[in-house]
Amino acid sequence: DAKTTQPTSMDCAEGRAANLPCNHSTISGNEYVYWYRQIHSQGPQYIIHGLKNNETNEMASLIITEDRKSSTLILPHATLRDTAVYYCIVMAGNEKLTFGTGTRLTIIP
Amino acid sequence: GAVVSQHPSWVICKSGTSVKIECRSLDFQATTMFWYRQFPKQSLMLMATSNEGSKATYEQGVEKDKFLINHASLTLSTLTVTSAHPEDSSFYICSAREPTGKRQPQHFGDGTRLSIL
Repeated sequence: DAKTTQPTSMDCAEGRAANLPCNHSTISGNEYVYWYRQIHSQGPQYIIHGLKNNETNEMASLIITEDRKSSTLILPHATLRDTAVYYCIVMAGNEKLTFGTGTRLTIIP
Repeated sequence: GAVVSQHPSWVICKSGTSVKIECRSLDFQATTMFWYRQFPKQSLMLMATSNEGSKATYEQGVEKDKFLINHASLTLSTLTVTSAHPEDSSFYICSAREPTGKRQPQHFGDGTRLSIL
């Protein structure tokens, strides 16, 4: 299973774009990158996933580098409700999600 | 979007009792569901994979006789914590994956906070 590396914490001003980086230098060619977030005392929420092309949905955009060794999750206009722990996960070949420590994103008013 | 419901959201019970937690996929059928446990200030740890109509697959170190999993239908999986003790107090979370392809994301319930006195 490919491991991911994320910063422990980040701050972002409300209304600005939040850019959360993730390194996954040992990712395999058929492994996807998934992003989830967990707001305090709730279950994780799926945000977005991708293989090699950039992806966008109503919540966020996912930018994957051409060599697939890193990616960035972009929340275009962060709100206070976006304060959460964000997990970047590379899907294992046996279909199990393995959660690391994630990035604690704090949106500042 | 896909919705997973978990019940109850909070349980407080005495040591030695058994507690059942239900996980339902509300708008899709899930042949596979997952059970996680999360201790304070730690990340989620996968406990077991629940397969409809067959025995669950437990992760290393998880006692299968302690944490009974039943997945009797395509929309319901249950986790029973048997003879619960204070060290079993934790946040238990289930998830289910939409069946349309293995790369579909897992969707999570809101979790059950279990406190054993």
